[in-house]
Amino acid sequence: DAGVTQSPTHLIKTRGQQVTLRCSPKSGHDTVSWYQQALGQGPQFIFQYYEEEERQRGNFPDRFSGHQFPNYSSELNVNALLLGDSALYLCASSLGLAGETQYFGPGTRLLVL
Amino acid sequence: DAKTTQPNSMESNEEEPVHLPCNHSTISGTDYIHWYRQLPSQGPEYVIHGLTSNVNNRMASLAIAEDRKSSTLILHRATLRDAAVYYCTRVSGNTPLVFGKGTRLSVIA
Repeated sequence: DAGVTQSPTHLIKTRGQQVTLRCSPKSGHDTVSWYQQALGQGPQFIFQYYEEEERQRGNFPDRFSGHQFPNYSSELNVNALLLGDSALYLCASSLGLAGETQYFGPGTRLLVL
Repeated sequence: DAKTTQPNSMESNEEEPVHLPCNHSTISGTDYIHWYRQLPSQGPEYVIHGLTSNVNNRMASLAIAEDRKSSTLILHRATLRDAAVYYCTRVSGNTPLVFGKGTRLSVIA
């Protein structure tokens, strides 16, 4: 049973560029949440997708956007990259919207130069 | 605002029990207490959760205070593979997970 997978594992971009990160949820899961984890900090919630719609959003600017596809996979897009966007981006999947246990992927490490 | 308070770090000897505390004094009646841990270079993984009663699973035990204002994650015999950052969170309905800095557990051989 495949767990949550994310791609790419590492990425280097320059300021002002745009980036797309991808996530495939654990088999049987239909809800995807994205988190940003700066070095030495706990993960911070970005947004959650269910039934191809953004259901909840954390305190992140509109430069952060996402999408969920009919097969439940998801993308995180970040426009106009800033140095401060350098972080580990984590995807987590779960079943439904009842606060079920979340399963995290290994993350994508983004470095903005 | 993580709404939970944990010590920054703890240390344990291998094969000894470890008690990781968490304070959640403002917890509401519908909040579950969830614990996750993050091993080096990995995403967080679920450990255990509970509401009022103590809980046990293959990974750990969760002891919840009677007033629910604090809880303790218990690893019965720490191994080197248990070295990780442990996060205590509150979950109510579909609220997103809110992580603080967690407790960094070091295990000494």
